[in-house]
Amino acid sequence: LAKTTQPISMDSYEGQEVNITCSHNNIATNDYITWYQQFPSQGPRFIIQGYKTKVTNEVASLFIPADRKSSTLSLPRVSLSDTAVYYCLVGDIGAGTALIFGKGTTLSVSS
Amino acid sequence: NAGVTQTPKFRILKIGQSMTLQCTQDMNHNYMYWYRQDPGMGLKLIYYSVGAGITDKGEVPNGYNVSRSTTEDFPLRLELAAPSQTSVYFCASSSHAGVSNQPQHFGDGTRLSIL
Repeated sequence: LAKTTQPISMDSYEGQEVNITCSHNNIATNDYITWYQQFPSQGPRFIIQGYKTKVTNEVASLFIPADRKSSTLSLPRVSLSDTAVYYCLVGDIGAGTALIFGKGTTLSVSS
Repeated sequence: NAGVTQTPKFRILKIGQSMTLQCTQDMNHNYMYWYRQDPGMGLKLIYYSVGAGITDKGEVPNGYNVSRSTTEDFPLRLELAAPSQTSVYFCASSSHAGVSNQPQHFGDGTRLSIL
């Protein structure tokens, strides 16, 4: 199972762009990169998923370089409500393996 | 649009008691999972299932049992509750992955205290 490394915490102010980078040096060919968001007292919520290059949805963008050994979650113009823990997961559930959640990155947004 | 439903939301157990945490999903997902989350930590996988009748151990299966008799339900059983099992338990489900991963949908969790 591919292990991921991400910063323990990050601070930002409202309106700024936040980039959270995740390292996954031993990512396998079939592995996808998935990011989840978790608010206190709630279950994690899917944000975005990608395999290579760039993926964008209404919430975030995900940048994946050609070697796929890292990925960057980009949150445009964060607000106070984006304060949460963000998890980067790497794996291929289609192969019958389960994904591993690390400690995640705690993002604190201030006004 | 229920998604993943967990019951109960809160429970206090005495050491040595047993209980079953219920989880049901209405999305016809093949994959289901049980995680525990200790304070300030990430989620740790307890057990998972890739379909009815099939279950596999995750990172921390000791002290727990699961069954998957139907696609919808994936109950988690604690046989002899211990203080170390005090945690928040999350159930999740995802559709069959095929050639790509499908995101997991999580329930709201069960907060369990063992005293």
